[in-house]
Amino acid sequence: ETGVTQTPRHLVMGMTNKKSLKCEQHLGHNAMYWYKQSAKKPLELMFVYNFKEQTENNSVPSRFSPECPNSSHLFLHLHTLQPEDSALYLCASSQESSGVVYNEQFFGPGTRLTVL
Amino acid sequence: KNQVEQSPQSLIILEGKNCTLQCNYTVSPFSNLRWYKQDTGRGPVSLTIMTFSENTKSNGRYTATLDADTKQSSLHITASQLSDSASYICVVSTFSYGGSQGNLIFGKGTKLSVKP
Repeated sequence: ETGVTQTPRHLVMGMTNKKSLKCEQHLGHNAMYWYKQSAKKPLELMFVYNFKEQTENNSVPSRFSPECPNSSHLFLHLHTLQPEDSALYLCASSQESSGVVYNEQFFGPGTRLTVL
Repeated sequence: KNQVEQSPQSLIILEGKNCTLQCNYTVSPFSNLRWYKQDTGRGPVSLTIMTFSENTKSNGRYTATLDADTKQSSLHITASQLSDSASYICVVSTFSYGGSQGNLIFGKGTKLSVKP
């Protein structure tokens, strides 16, 4: 596997389900990101992990819970979602230096999530 | 307020023709400007990154320009191909300073369709 991979690619879940999205980066980067992409809206940055520490949480509802066990893996745990949470969820990674943020990001293919 | 505006929202051109996409931004303090290509159902892929001092950068048939005075950028596609059909996203990043985290501001994208 190369680059950034995400599983599953498609997910349909009910509002009472609990599921997790997985992201893995094979680029040796030290920062990982979760984005939400809804139709006709700009990408929304949800969470940032820099050197495995969460450095940003852009007012995301608590029904989304990130986990970064190491610099190569990132999870997004989902529970009691709403239909408006249906979107493409993208994972990205980058190599960051101290004091500099958001170098070139490499994106995964995304997980298309549908909440019924 | 930091904003990135892209135009047109969508564009249809014939194969072999050239086109230019626009990006206007009001972002401060400016760090760099990026253009991404996003195929349907895929994650964005970086085309170019330009800093304040760069006013043009090419990547094959893609040429990006940057006018830091007027805060405008354009992406010119030469001799378009069917595979150029995608959304093109302009992203502007800010420096981190004074303890503030840097930021990424995304445009909504231009959807380009290349027809045979």
